[in-house]
Amino acid sequence: ETGVTQTPRHLVMGMTNKKSLKCEQHLGHNAMYWYKQSAKKPLELMFVYNFKEQTENNSVPSRFSPECPNSSHLFLHLHTLQPEDSALYLCASSQDNNQPQHFGDGTRLSIL
Amino acid sequence: AQKITQTQPGMFVQEKEAVTLDCTYDTSDQSYGLFWYKQPSSGEMIFLIYQGSYDEQNATEGRYSLNFQKARKSANLVISASQLGDSAMYFCAMREGHTGFQKLVFGTGTRLLVSP
Repeated sequence: ETGVTQTPRHLVMGMTNKKSLKCEQHLGHNAMYWYKQSAKKPLELMFVYNFKEQTENNSVPSRFSPECPNSSHLFLHLHTLQPEDSALYLCASSQDNNQPQHFGDGTRLSIL
Repeated sequence: AQKITQTQPGMFVQEKEAVTLDCTYDTSDQSYGLFWYKQPSSGEMIFLIYQGSYDEQNATEGRYSLNFQKARKSANLVISASQLGDSAMYFCAMREGHTGFQKLVFGTGTRLLVSP
């Protein structure tokens, strides 16, 4: 039990499909994050939500659309993705500035 | 410019020996935090240890310790008495900013392989 649950664990989709990644945290944290991890590249922060408000968008293409309906749930809606979007997508949550972020197991996404 | 540099793409260590994983950072902030995470092949990122820039003592958590050299801007992870289960990717990360959320910058990681 990691405290941060991501579904699905694996996803294969075509470039024209629409799908959503889900993240749920059971830790009572107030900030949630989406990261992209591509092969041989550092983790890239995509979005940050703090108290359900988006506070960071790191120049992410509009084909990625986040949604945070409450402080426990975070979604990443995907549409018209490109092959280079194939990566491990990690969700994390944190309580405040000095406490560590807790990560989920990730969704491994493959774009055909 | 890279803010977190991990110069060792791979490290090998024998079981029960100690190993040091290097991390240097670049920041002009006076207040910052440094984190180490472990990522096994299954994908999850596991928090290991944290060092605040104002902490005078080096952080320790069980077999993990952080060799914090502020003037040299280095925050090396030391794993004592390596175990086979320590084989994984290790990432150094830095928190900048003073807001209620963290903006972490990660290094490229070091792959550690522990042999019997």
